[in-house]
Amino acid sequence: DAKTTQPNSMESNEEEPVHLPCNHSTISGTDYIHWYRQLPSQGPEYVIHGLTSNVNNRMASLAIAEDRKSSTLILHRATLRDAAVYYCILSKAGTYKYIFGTGTRLKVLA
Amino acid sequence: EAGVVQSPRYKIIEKKQPVAFWCNPISGHNTLYWYRQNLGQGPELLIRYENEEAVDDSQLPKDRFSAERLKGVDSTLKIQPAELGDSAVYLCASSLMVNTEAFFGQGTRLTVV
Repeated sequence: DAKTTQPNSMESNEEEPVHLPCNHSTISGTDYIHWYRQLPSQGPEYVIHGLTSNVNNRMASLAIAEDRKSSTLILHRATLRDAAVYYCILSKAGTYKYIFGTGTRLKVLA
Repeated sequence: EAGVVQSPRYKIIEKKQPVAFWCNPISGHNTLYWYRQNLGQGPELLIRYENEEAVDDSQLPKDRFSAERLKGVDSTLKIQPAELGDSAVYLCASSLMVNTEAFFGQGTRLTVV
């Protein structure tokens, strides 16, 4: 299974954009890139996913590098409620087997 | 619409005792997952069901852990006997089908003393 690498922690000021990076250099052609986040004392929550093209939804944007070896989750305006651990996960089409790493702990400063 | 419901939220037991966790997935969701999350780590998949069939249980410690999903709806995860190292948060998730968004419950925090 392909692995992902994320920074352990990041900080952002409230109301500013946040770019959360993820490296996945061993990604294969059929691997989807998923992002989930986990708020304190909660289960993980789906954020966004994509395969090759950039994706946007009401929560965030996902920018995928042309070679697909890295991706970036973009929160356009961070709020205090966005403070969470963000997980970048790869899964093969048809298997939906998530292998979570340790994620990036995002701290949002008021 | 109700999300994934798990109970209990917290459980404290002595080692060597049995314990069971219950999960009610979102109505209509065919795929159900059980994960274990140790402190400071990401969740680790224990077992995945498609309807009532366990299709991936390779990470489930079968000597002491068991799971079932009756009629392809609710599911229970059991540990017997529990060990100190089993202390963790046990998360249940469901999805409409494989390769769609997974919805997680709040988890059951197990403490074995």
